[in-house]
Amino acid sequence: AAGVIQSPRHLIKEKRETATLKCYPIPRHDTVYWYQQGPGQDPQFLISFYEKMQSDKGSIPDRFSAQQFSDYHSELNMSSLELGDSALYFCASTPDRAAEKLFFGSGTQLSVL
Amino acid sequence: KQEVTQIPAALSVPEGENLVLNCSFTDSAIYNLQWFRQDPGKGLTSLLLIQSSQREQTSGRLNASLDKSSGRSTLYIAASQPGDSATYLCVPNSGYSTLTFGKGTMLLVSP
Repeated sequence: AAGVIQSPRHLIKEKRETATLKCYPIPRHDTVYWYQQGPGQDPQFLISFYEKMQSDKGSIPDRFSAQQFSDYHSELNMSSLELGDSALYFCASTPDRAAEKLFFGSGTQLSVL
Repeated sequence: KQEVTQIPAALSVPEGENLVLNCSFTDSAIYNLQWFRQDPGKGLTSLLLIQSSQREQTSGRLNASLDKSSGRSTLYIAASQPGDSATYLCVPNSGYSTLTFGKGTMLLVSP
């Protein structure tokens, strides 16, 4: 069965560089959530999309932006990277944000040097 | 705002023991609750989903119960194995556009 695909799996960047993370939800899933998980931390909600519109915003820095495209894939754009941005970033998708099972991707491990 | 507490924070047991992981949440108006496992540096793998109308779900050696009115869920792991070592997270879904995670229970099963 298709799963949530995230790319790249690993990413190494220098401080002040930019990064783009991609999330491809399961087909027919219209809701995507982005989370950031620092080392030893619980996941922190960044932003979510429903039907290509931003539905909620969490602790996402102003240096980050995200969008959901017409094919429902989502991209998280990160600029002026800082050391503290090093984390596991993962996304989840669901066909119905209220009642259905959540499916998580394997995440993108971002390291900022 | 939903708050999730998981007890214990860490658990270390010898192989073969039966385990109980506890999850409590403050907003009982949930649609469902999912239990996940997370291996170090990896994403979340869904273990069990309990709908709000259900009391429990079973999958293999795993059994999850839900007491929605009291805001509690329990994950039972029978005959634990070293491969069960991971962090276990419960995620109650209130239907809002955000999901709240607890800090999880870090389980170590030694051979």
